[in-house]
Amino acid sequence: QITLKESGPTLVKPTQTLTLTCTFSGFSFSTSEVGVGWIRQPPGKALEWLALIYWDDDKRYSPSLKSRLTITKDTSKNQVVLTMTNMDPVDTATYYCARMVFGVGNDYWGQGTLVTVSS
Amino acid sequence: QLVLTQSPSASASLGASVKLTCSLSSGHSSYAIAWHQQQPEKGPRYLMKLNSDGSHRKGDGIPDRFSGSSSGAERYLIISSLQSEDEADYYCQTWDTGILGVFGGGTKLTVL
Repeated sequence: QITLKESGPTLVKPTQTLTLTCTFSGFSFSTSEVGVGWIRQPPGKALEWLALIYWDDDKRYSPSLKSRLTITKDTSKNQVVLTMTNMDPVDTATYYCARMVFGVGNDYWGQGTLVTVSS
Repeated sequence: QLVLTQSPSASASLGASVKLTCSLSSGHSSYAIAWHQQQPEKGPRYLMKLNSDGSHRKGDGIPDRFSGSSSGAERYLIISSLQSEDEADYYCQTWDTGILGVFGGGTKLTVL
């Protein structure tokens, strides 16, 4: 059974750095074409890709957010970590991690975690 | 530029069928996509991968009422025998080498 779960703060202040962890089970980074990505959804709005890391450590970032994002993986812990710097109230959203299989799509999603940016 | 376009809303009656559309941008008509469902206050759920020839492979536990088809640059999600729990937002997604990937803007389906 494949599961993913997001963890991190629910409230951050403007200008702070957000660190989110995705812990997964039921698959590993030893499988080619497999990656884990972060997608967010502001309240009432559409899904937005943030970052993606593949089994071979290939990393992709949203062009508009690239300067603020860093994605890493810890294969031994089955975790993927996303950091986003200089948080702003417009970054308030539910943040999801999801498995990505190239050629298949995001076939498993976490439950999401709501992050509010407010002073 | 790889872009997916979806109509913002759709509606259909309980027990009827509905066909949702996802349009690929010019030059990308051969691309496969994935469909996702997001019920109110829930996270997205993977429905299927849909190829340009209309063949599709569904995710775990997806009912037979959900199917897909393709025509040119259009990708369709067909839901038959609509049930109240099908009222949700539906997103299409695609990917390409060297890029992050793309989501459509989503279609909000109302079951009347």
